[in-house]
Amino acid sequence: QQQVKQSPQSLIVQKGGISIINCAYENTAFDYFPWYQQFPGKGPALLIAIRPDVSEKKEGRFTISFNKSAKQFSLHIMDSQPGDSATYFCAAMKTSYDKVIFGPGTSLSVIP
Amino acid sequence: DTAVSQTPKYLVTQMGNDKSIKCEQNLGHDTMYWYKQDSKKFLKIMFSYNNKELIINETVPNRFSPKSPDKAHLNLHINSLELGDSAVYFCASSQHGLVASYEQYFGPGTRLTVT
Repeated sequence: QQQVKQSPQSLIVQKGGISIINCAYENTAFDYFPWYQQFPGKGPALLIAIRPDVSEKKEGRFTISFNKSAKQFSLHIMDSQPGDSATYFCAAMKTSYDKVIFGPGTSLSVIP
Repeated sequence: DTAVSQTPKYLVTQMGNDKSIKCEQNLGHDTMYWYKQDSKKFLKIMFSYNNKELIINETVPNRFSPKSPDKAHLNLHINSLELGDSAVYFCASSQHGLVASYEQYFGPGTRLTVT
């Protein structure tokens, strides 16, 4: 049973475009939603995170939109650059239990 | 300075062997984890330790045994290796306690290949 669903599986965006990755969760007890970025041959690294009491969080070119009633959240990458090419994982956790559930990942390729 | 380090980076071994992967973090964190990333890049938690105490133990075969000699180290020992154990194993750490940060810092990974 996949507790965190993520789409699309892969995404190709032109340089300067907007990359959008969508996620959905089932467990309403989750209270922290991070996004991790992973480059080939490296470990994942935290990109941005949001709590469910906030509908949007922006850090530079990266924005999380959060819809608590729909149990959905998404990552928007504005002005996408070739250096953004990586695998992106959405995740969810219940902070009192400290177990992160990762989505299956989205492979993003930004082409010049 | 490497925050979370793992050794070895690559491990090739035959079925039935026993192997260990070592992990160290110099961030002063109190919680450490082991994750398995399969060939489809799916990341799944295996274990977590808080101050050397086992907190999370997912449905992992008991051939996998984590050991935490101190809160800066979490090693993973695998007995009787099987083909299906081939994956990339990541160690991670985070800080909980009174000043909690839920960000997990991942090591560079150990690619295990069982032949």
